Amino acid sequence: NAGVTQTPKFQVLKTGQSMTLQCAQDMNHEYMSWYRQDPGMGLRLIHYSVGAGITDQGEVPNGYNVSRSTTEDFPLRLLSAAPSQTSVYFCASSTRGDRGVDIQYFGAGTRLSVL
Amino acid sequence: GQQVMQIPQYQHVQEGEDFTTYCNSSTTLSNIQWYKQRPGGHPVFLIQLVKSGEVKKQKRLTFQFGEAKKNSSLHITATQTTDVGTYFCAGWNSGYALNFGKGTSLLVTP
Repeated sequence: NAGVTQTPKFQVLKTGQSMTLQCAQDMNHEYMSWYRQDPGMGLRLIHYSVGAGITDQGEVPNGYNVSRSTTEDFPLRLLSAAPSQTSVYFCASSTRGDRGVDIQYFGAGTRLSVL
Repeated sequence: GQQVMQIPQYQHVQEGEDFTTYCNSSTTLSNIQWYKQRPGGHPVFLIQLVKSGEVKKQKRLTFQFGEAKKNSSLHITATQTTDVGTYFCAGWNSGYALNFGKGTSLLVTP
């Protein structure tokens, strides 16, 4: 199994451009999430999904859209990129595992710079 | 909403010294998880604590969950250079996504 796959690994955008960060998981997990990581800020939740067709906002949703048309895929769209969106983005998936332990599995991340 | 706070933000130790990071939640947690992120890497699950006062050990790592289920700690005995990284605690938000603390970055010099 590949686990959680994120593409691209690196991206440079100009202010105002739009793009989609891809995330796919092959573990048949119900829950998927997007986080951004900035120095000294930890991991902040952007959006999450509890299943196909169901999404909800996290702590920092502004400027981002998501959709979940399949269990496997959870793309994150930047509508009009801003320098404040320069960050490392992590996608994660999880399911209720053995004895109720809900492990989140993270992708390798996308490093995004907005100029 | 739920806030998860960690201290210290940074810790620099000599190899062989002990290390502790503390986690506090603004609300009672159903469980707490700990993750480790190596430099340039992604967070990796370490452990989950569920019961009040629970203590779990993984080799040189000891994890504790407070009696009130609002705080937790991670203690590393005799640090090694392989322990370098950022350690995060996290609590579940409405059961569907994790709220992470800001993490403690550990630097170990030989």
